[in-house]
Amino acid sequence: KAGVTQTPRYLIKTRGQQVTLSCSPISGHRSVSWYQQTPGQGLQFLFEYFSETQRNKGNFPGRFSGRQFSNSRSEMNVSTLELGDSALYLCASSLALGQGYNEQFFGPGTRLTVL
Amino acid sequence: EDKVVQSPLSLVVHEGDTVTLNCSYEVTNFRSLLWYKQEKKAPTFLFMLTSSGIEKKSGRLSSILDKKELFSILNITATQTGDSAIYLCAISVIGSGDKLTFGTGTRLAVRP
Repeated sequence: KAGVTQTPRYLIKTRGQQVTLSCSPISGHRSVSWYQQTPGQGLQFLFEYFSETQRNKGNFPGRFSGRQFSNSRSEMNVSTLELGDSALYLCASSLALGQGYNEQFFGPGTRLTVL
Repeated sequence: EDKVVQSPLSLVVHEGDTVTLNCSYEVTNFRSLLWYKQEKKAPTFLFMLTSSGIEKKSGRLSSILDKKELFSILNITATQTGDSAIYLCAISVIGSGDKLTFGTGTRLAVRP
């Protein structure tokens, strides 16, 4: 079974631009979560999508947005990029079977550098 | 706001040593505590603990949760160079779906 895949793996942008990152979950997984990882802040939760709906949201500005498609694939978008947005963006998927915690499987991440 | 603190921030040991990594937390509606290992990119799942005092073991790794004192430890015995990684502790809370709140991690380096 293929794992979580993320594209692109590396990205370089300049301030003010926008970027779209893509995540394909493990087949059959219905929940997709996004995290930002930086050396100073560690992993911080961005948002979670389930059945094409945003189920949870972290404390990030509105420049960060996402969506999920009917096949559970997800995209996140960052507009008006700032230097501080440079980070590793990780996507994780789970089966989302019930109310309890569902084990999440992480993708390899997209390394975004903002110049 | 939910908070997870890990210590130490980094650690250097020699092969064969035993290490103890710490994780303390402050959360409302605690559901579970999780440990992940991150070597290059994708964190990989190690343990999930939901009940206090129960030890989870997998080979040389073990972990225990103290829900009264709000902390967990991850032990690694007979360390090997392949154990070099960042170890992440995370909390899941009731009513928050799959959202995890992570600590900043402990960077472990095991020297030959």
